[in-house]
Amino acid sequence: DGGITQSPKYLFRKEGQNVTLSCEQNLNHDAMYWYRQDPGQGLRLIYYSQIVNDFQKGDIAEGYSVSREKKESFPLTVTSAQKNPTAFYLCASSSGGASQYEQFFGPGTRLTVL
Amino acid sequence: AQKITQTQPGMFVQEKEAVTLDCTYDTSDPSYGLFWYKQPSSGEMIFLIYQGSYDQQNATEGRYSLNFQKARKSANLVISASQLGDSAMYFCAMREVNTNAGKSTFGDGTTLTVKP
Repeated sequence: DGGITQSPKYLFRKEGQNVTLSCEQNLNHDAMYWYRQDPGQGLRLIYYSQIVNDFQKGDIAEGYSVSREKKESFPLTVTSAQKNPTAFYLCASSSGGASQYEQFFGPGTRLTVL
Repeated sequence: AQKITQTQPGMFVQEKEAVTLDCTYDTSDPSYGLFWYKQPSSGEMIFLIYQGSYDQQNATEGRYSLNFQKARKSANLVISASQLGDSAMYFCAMREVNTNAGKSTFGDGTTLTVKP
């Protein structure tokens, strides 16, 4: 079955550590996205990529980094520069950036900073 | 200015009744798409329905329909014959083609509770 996988489901991090969240898709989608969701809030865009080896900052990119070396993969690194990283992180993909393509979402990763 | 506004933080509906979830949006881009997603307590986001800015008719998908009023910049979701499994958070989202490089903007969501 085609879809998006994210790992791990739960992640605990000590302050000062960098952590990397995995996102893989086998939908052959060109575009991939990372969102952050805080409790009771909507989704905020961190980074997005419309093609391999290219990505753009979203609305809250500070303290995060990404890479897009393969079409299927879009890992997100939460660096120690991110002041309040505890949140739910969702990865998504779509066929392209055009308006008619819905986004398909992974199951999410819950990150907690201890 | 917020691009997507969902004014109802929480809504209640009786099982088998219809419910309307409000969404207003703000854009100057003539080409855009509007989406509704459902997020159950598990956290996954499920795509429900899409409406394009040039679509002449309101979108429908099973029990879901989108009441699109372009002049009012309104894209309300109507769920008919509510079921207990419809209890979830619902998000309205917009994607602008020309002015925002295809990025999606999400509202803050509405929590729907279906009462038996």
